[in-house]
Amino acid sequence: NAGVTQTPKFRILKIGQSMTLQCTQDMNHNYMYWYRQDPGMGLKLIYYSVGAGITDKGEVPNGYNVSRSTTEDFPLRLELAAPSQTSVYFCASSYGGSQPQHFGDGTRLSIL
Amino acid sequence: GDSVTQMEGPVTLSEEAFLTINCTYTATGYPSLFWYVQYPGEGLQLLLKATKADDKGSNKGFEATYRKETTSFHLEKGSVQVSDSAVYFCALSDRRAGSYQLTFGKGTKLSVIP
Repeated sequence: NAGVTQTPKFRILKIGQSMTLQCTQDMNHNYMYWYRQDPGMGLKLIYYSVGAGITDKGEVPNGYNVSRSTTEDFPLRLELAAPSQTSVYFCASSYGGSQPQHFGDGTRLSIL
Repeated sequence: GDSVTQMEGPVTLSEEAFLTINCTYTATGYPSLFWYVQYPGEGLQLLLKATKADDKGSNKGFEATYRKETTSFHLEKGSVQVSDSAVYFCALSDRRAGSYQLTFGKGTKLSVIP
C-alpha cells in the first residue's frame, strides 16, 4: 500500500525558475493538503482541497498554485522561485476533514 | 485564532527514562487533538489522537489525555527506547472557514541515549 507518494525527493532550483511538486495518494481520500516545514517552525498549510475541482488557500499561499483534477493527484506549482521558498514540502491526505492526515515523505527544495 | 504551544527541545534522555512533552492549545471550538512523530528523513506519522474531553489516546507505550480544563494534551511514556528518538509534534484539528485544518506546534526533538 503506497499511501501518499511525493516526487521528487530533492531538488535545487535557481531564483526565478518554476517547478511542480507532484503528490498522489491511493487511499481514495477526499481531502489533500500541502504544507511547508521550516526549521524550528512546525508545519504551515499552503493550500488544501476537499475534493476534485475544489481548492482553497491555507496560511501561506503566496507564490504557489495548486490544482485538483482527480481525487488521486494534488500537484503544487512554484512560479518564479525565491530563496524564501527553500523548505521541506509535505503533502498529506485524509478521508474526512476531522480525520487523521497521512503524510508523504517530503520534498526537500533549495532555491539558490 | 487557534494555536498550539509545546515545550522547546531538544530533549535528551537515557534509555528507560520517563518522558513528558508538554502541549497546550487555544481553540475557538471543540478541537480534536493529535500527536504526530517524525523520524529522520521521513514524513509525519500519527502517533495517537483524542477527539473529546477526558479521552486518552495511546499507542506504542505513549499516552496523552485531552484535558479541557487546562487546555492541555501532554505526551508521556514510562520507559523510552533509543528507537523513540524523533521529533514529536502536537496538533489540533478545528473547523475554520468551512473546513477542518490542522494547526501544529513547533515540534520537540527527542534524543534517547543508551
